[in-house]
Amino acid sequence: GQQLNQSPQSMFIQEGEDVSMNCTSSSIFNTWLWYKQDPGEGPVLLIALYKAGELTSNGRLTAQFGITRKDSFLNISASIPSDVGIYFCAGSGNTPLVFGKGTRLSVIA
Amino acid sequence: EADIYQTPRYLVIGTGKKITLECSQTMGHDKMYWYQQDPGMELHLIHYSYGVNSTEKGDLSSESTVSRIRTEHFPLTLESARPSHTSQYLCASSEARGGRGNTIYFGEGSWLTVV
Repeated sequence: GQQLNQSPQSMFIQEGEDVSMNCTSSSIFNTWLWYKQDPGEGPVLLIALYKAGELTSNGRLTAQFGITRKDSFLNISASIPSDVGIYFCAGSGNTPLVFGKGTRLSVIA
Repeated sequence: EADIYQTPRYLVIGTGKKITLECSQTMGHDKMYWYQQDPGMELHLIHYSYGVNSTEKGDLSSESTVSRIRTEHFPLTLESARPSHTSQYLCASSEARGGRGNTIYFGEGSWLTVV
């Protein structure tokens, strides 16, 4: 089946630093989504991308739908302690959504 | 913002008991899903439905069953719980139509512990 490679698996950064994470797929996708999950909660949708090349921002977060349609990245600028959590990418072509394994972000104050 | 509700949020039950995890959404979404997730780990799709009276098994084999009698309701049932069923169960929904049909919204999750 389709697989997503999400990297890095974990990150430890200083407060105020910028963060970048990405996902690559072996298949072409029509949709790329980015979610954040806090401990004990369900994932919350951060950014949705529906078009190759699309660049979308949500506050300090920016995500792009790669022009090859096989990758996407998420950037977080000027990280703060509440950015801590697990970030999941997800994508789909003509099948149900496939999730990456997550990037665990820790922010050191 | 999604309006999808799961109950109970936390449940501790004994081995062999039957349990039903409830999930309801008020957005009129046709598609609904159940994911299983161990703490801090990846999400595994165990069941999905594209509408009333439609249910399909997901990528991860599960001993649970689901039903979809009403659009807004997608309960998950375990007939005889075992410790291996201990996990977080996440319900989700999405619109059926168009390119945004795969944008899913999650509930807060149900934490199940079987002792």
